[in-house]
This record gives sequence, C-alpha cells and structure tokens, in this order.
Amino acid sequence: DTGVSQDPRHKITKRGQNVTFRCDPISEHNRLYWYRQTLGQGPEFLTYFQNEAQLEKSRLLSDRFSAERPKGSFSTLEIQRTEQGDSAMYLCASSLETGNTEAFFGQGTRLTVV
Amino acid sequence: AQTVTQSQPEMSVQEAETVTLSCTYDTSESNYYLFWYKQPPSRQMILVIRQEAYKQQNATENRFSVNFQKAAKSFSLKISDSQLGDTAMYFCALRNSGNTPLVFGKGTRLSVIA
Repeated sequence: DTGVSQDPRHKITKRGQNVTFRCDPISEHNRLYWYRQTLGQGPEFLTYFQNEAQLEKSRLLSDRFSAERPKGSFSTLEIQRTEQGDSAMYLCASSLETGNTEAFFGQGTRLTVV
Repeated sequence: AQTVTQSQPEMSVQEAETVTLSCTYDTSESNYYLFWYKQPPSRQMILVIRQEAYKQQNATENRFSVNFQKAAKSFSLKISDSQLGDTAMYFCALRNSGNTPLVFGKGTRLSVIA
C-alpha cells in the first residue's frame, strides 16, 4: 500500500463546469476525510466518512458540492457549476476509526477555475 | 467551537540552530489530541508529533519536541539542530477523541538557512 492517493493532481476548469476528484485511502482505513486549503491558510474540514456513511458535512460545503464513498473504499468529491472561489487545494486523508491514530494525507488535487 | 491560532506566519532559522513555533488553541472538550503536521513545498502533509491532552509529559520525536501547557492552552513545537529538509509549512492541529476531523491553524512557514 503506497498511502493515500488522489487523482488528478491538477485540474484547470472553466467557470460553470463540473469537476470530480477521486481519493483512494489506505486500504484498511475506514475513515476518510476531505479538506480544502486555500493559499496562505490551513486546511479546512469539508466532510468525512466512516465506511460508506457520510458522518458530517461542514457548512462550508455548499449545495454545489457532493461527496460519496459508495463501497466504503475510494471516495469522490464533485463540484458543480464551479466558481472562481472554488480554486484551492483539495486534500484527502484517511485513518482508522479507533485507536486515536493519526490521519494520513494524500498529495491533494489543485483546482484552478478560470 | 474549536480554534487553533498560529501567530507566526513566517520564521527562519540557521542550519543547526534551534527554533520554536507557537500555537494556542481553544476547546471545551476535556479529552483531545494535538498535532504538528509538516507540509513541504509541493509535497503531502506528514505528521511530525502528537500529544494526548491527558498526558502531562511532553512528547518528543528525535529532534522535535513540544511544550504542552494545558492550562494556558498552548502547544509549541521546538526543532533542534535544524536541517535544510525542515524547510516547510508547519500546521498545528487539534481534534477530539475518536478520530474526528482535525481543526488546523493557518500555519507557519519555516525556512532553514544554510
């Protein structure tokens, strides 16, 4: 297992288009988290899953954002009708549910909306 | 609500010297965990050190140690014998027990100078 992987690494899209990002967590991790990081800021929580169940969504997650983890393995984050303010690094992390262990992060997907 | 504050946007240190990064936090929880994560340029975030709030002893990991002052809600990171590879953004983060999502500070950009 090579860790948390995210695809694509970079995405440039025109305003108004839809985009989808994928995250593959560490295989034995049942918790999966999405964060957004803008320039000069720390990551901000968006949503997280335990297996296929979405446990919590941040108020930052507008109706244009949706996330799924259909089989409790990989997850997708979709942004509809992208806006320039959506430009950011989208980070995925995974962890075990128990044991109070650390979260492992992927390299992120950098989205630029033009 | 939980908050994490890092008041030093940028710091620099000479190679082989010691530097301390500051972090204060606020939480109403009695059981929580504190972390320092490192994000090198264009690379993924990795855990540097963690501290359980119920432990009085300060955590240490090789050249990295923390000064955890629970009453003052302070959690600083000391890097000894700084190396060029320590150049990165450093984020202080907090979460409740049970592997809940992390709350991050805005980060401190550390530059190690040869």
